[in-house]
Amino acid sequence: EAGVAQSPRYKIIEKRQSVAFWCNPISGHATLYWYQQILGQGPKLLIQFQNNGVVDDSQLPKDRFSAERLKGVDSTLKIQPAKLEDSAVYLCASSFLGARNTEAFFGQGTRLTVV
Amino acid sequence: AQKVTQAQTEISVVEKEDVTLDCVYETRDTTYYLFWYKQPPSGELVFLIRRNSFDEQNEISGRYSWNFQKSTSSFNFTITASQVVDSAVYFCALFIDYKLSFGAGTTVTVRA
Repeated sequence: EAGVAQSPRYKIIEKRQSVAFWCNPISGHATLYWYQQILGQGPKLLIQFQNNGVVDDSQLPKDRFSAERLKGVDSTLKIQPAKLEDSAVYLCASSFLGARNTEAFFGQGTRLTVV
Repeated sequence: AQKVTQAQTEISVVEKEDVTLDCVYETRDTTYYLFWYKQPPSGELVFLIRRNSFDEQNEISGRYSWNFQKSTSSFNFTITASQVVDSAVYFCALFIDYKLSFGAGTTVTVRA
């Protein structure tokens, strides 16, 4: 079974530029998560989708971050404009809808460096 | 609000020693799930174990074991006979209403 795919693996941009990350979840997984992991910290949930609807985006900085999940499959996370403090690893995860005891599967993440 | 606390920042052991990682959680919900994940240097979070709030039976799976105690809101994790490949960051996580919240992580270094 293919895992969660993310691209790119690494990205370096200057502050005030924009950047986009892509995630393809495991086939059949209705729940998709985007997490931000700053160096030395645990992952922090940015946004959670159930199919193509947003379940929780309470910690998403909506003035600069946006995310969408068209057709309930792939998802993109965008930052515009980027700030230095956005330097982090962005993790995408997916899980199976309805099986509350099923773990989330994570991609390898995108390491973003803002200079 | 739910919260996960991992008080240990770093643990260093010599190979074959046992390692116990502490996790304390806070929630008012009665139905929840607890997880341990491992994050090796490659960066991907790998699922290790899961326990639901209605099952306090402690189990052993290979070299992994866990101690879940609702009375103290703790979900500790033990690696028996540690190996160098166990070196990683370990995260405790709390799952409620499809939301997965992580602790800050404990870095485990196993020296040969």
